[in-house]
Amino acid sequence: NAGVTQTPKFRILKIGQSMTLQCTQDMNHNYMYWYRQDPGMGLKLIYYSVGAGITDKGEVPNGYNVSRSTTEDFPLRLELAAPSQTSVYFCASSPIGGANYGYTFGSGTRLTVV
Amino acid sequence: QKEVEQNSGPLSVPEGAIASLNCTYSDRVSQSFFWYRQYSGKSPELIMSIYSNGDKEDGRFTAQLNKASQYVSLLIRDSQPSDSATYLCAVNRDDKIIFGKGTRLHILP
Repeated sequence: NAGVTQTPKFRILKIGQSMTLQCTQDMNHNYMYWYRQDPGMGLKLIYYSVGAGITDKGEVPNGYNVSRSTTEDFPLRLELAAPSQTSVYFCASSPIGGANYGYTFGSGTRLTVV
Repeated sequence: QKEVEQNSGPLSVPEGAIASLNCTYSDRVSQSFFWYRQYSGKSPELIMSIYSNGDKEDGRFTAQLNKASQYVSLLIRDSQPSDSATYLCAVNRDDKIIFGKGTRLHILP
């Protein structure tokens, strides 16, 4: 069983470029999340979704967009990449009951913007 | 006040000793509390969850919760070199989990 799958694992972007970070889960989880983790700064919530067609902003949404057209997929879009978006991005999911039971995390995408 | 506060460490503990990790949180309505372990370059892994006051034991790990003091702790008995990692304390708020910055634990062989 795959769990939460993120692609790509690594990416280097130039300032101003755009890209989509992919996240897919095969556990039929309703809740999905995107976090970024900067060194020594913990995990900060970018966007989350409680089900297909429903998304909401987290703590640090600026510069990002998401969509949730299916239960399985929750892509994160970066428009006009900036050096401040250099980070490790984690996608996570949880079943009905939401955050009460903890998350399953993907393996992460390490993004560098130069 | 930050929502979830942890000492960043590093906390150095001799192999075989007890490692004690502490965390405080600010939102009194939080009902679920978690400890995640994160190895360098890897994603966080849930190792303990606790929902009511008191202790919860799972193998060498014991989580402790005191809602009155807004305090969560993790004890690791018989510490092993493989326990060297960053430990993230986390609490739920609505449908989301808020993470602390983590405590780096180093087990000395």
